[in-house]
Amino acid sequence: EDKVVQSPLSLVVHEGDTVTLNCSYEVTNFRSLLWYKQEKKAPTFLFMLTSSGIEKKSGRLSSILDKKELFSILNITATQTGDSAIYLCAVLFTGNQFYFGTGTSLTVIP
Amino acid sequence: DSGVTQTPKHLITATGQRVTLRCSPRSGDLSVYWYQQSLDQGLQFLIQYYNGEERAKGNILERFSAQQFPDLHSELNLSSLELGDSALYFCASSVGGTEYYEQYFGPGTRLTVT
Repeated sequence: EDKVVQSPLSLVVHEGDTVTLNCSYEVTNFRSLLWYKQEKKAPTFLFMLTSSGIEKKSGRLSSILDKKELFSILNITATQTGDSAIYLCAVLFTGNQFYFGTGTSLTVIP
Repeated sequence: DSGVTQTPKHLITATGQRVTLRCSPRSGDLSVYWYQQSLDQGLQFLIQYYNGEERAKGNILERFSAQQFPDLHSELNLSSLELGDSALYFCASSVGGTEYYEQYFGPGTRLTVT
């Protein structure tokens, strides 16, 4: 059965800390892995990863995919209170379909 | 503001009823996607339409149906509603349809079935 698992489920850190969020997957006909940030409203797109070992970076956020071990990590350095959100990982597979993980809830306290 | 609009914002209805959720994509976007987000199931992909035609189907129940109209707005119809259908329903849109394009999500419609 196809599945996407995120860990940890929840994380509380202090401002300035670095966090690593994990997403592992078991999906047939994998195409890409996507990361989203969801605050109190709709998800917003962060990254799409298709190739192994190539880091995508945007400011303090970065992500990498390991297609051999079937996982991805999302790193956030020098966290700020504005980073508090649920981070969702989704796997896109053949047929333009998506499986989402249940998310990691990140709380950054001042 | 993503440019994707959804109506209504909230909807409360009784079991067994039928509701219609509406989505208007961003200007220029041809694809519309529907998602369901509930506390126990997380975010689930339901269905995608591209330029009026169904393009991909996810975990959409037979009681649910969708369509995309010539003006590209989309409607998600939910019938014979059950308590478990209570969720936040998101619509997203993107430019293309066959390859992945960045999706922009609407604010969602919160459905409560009592």
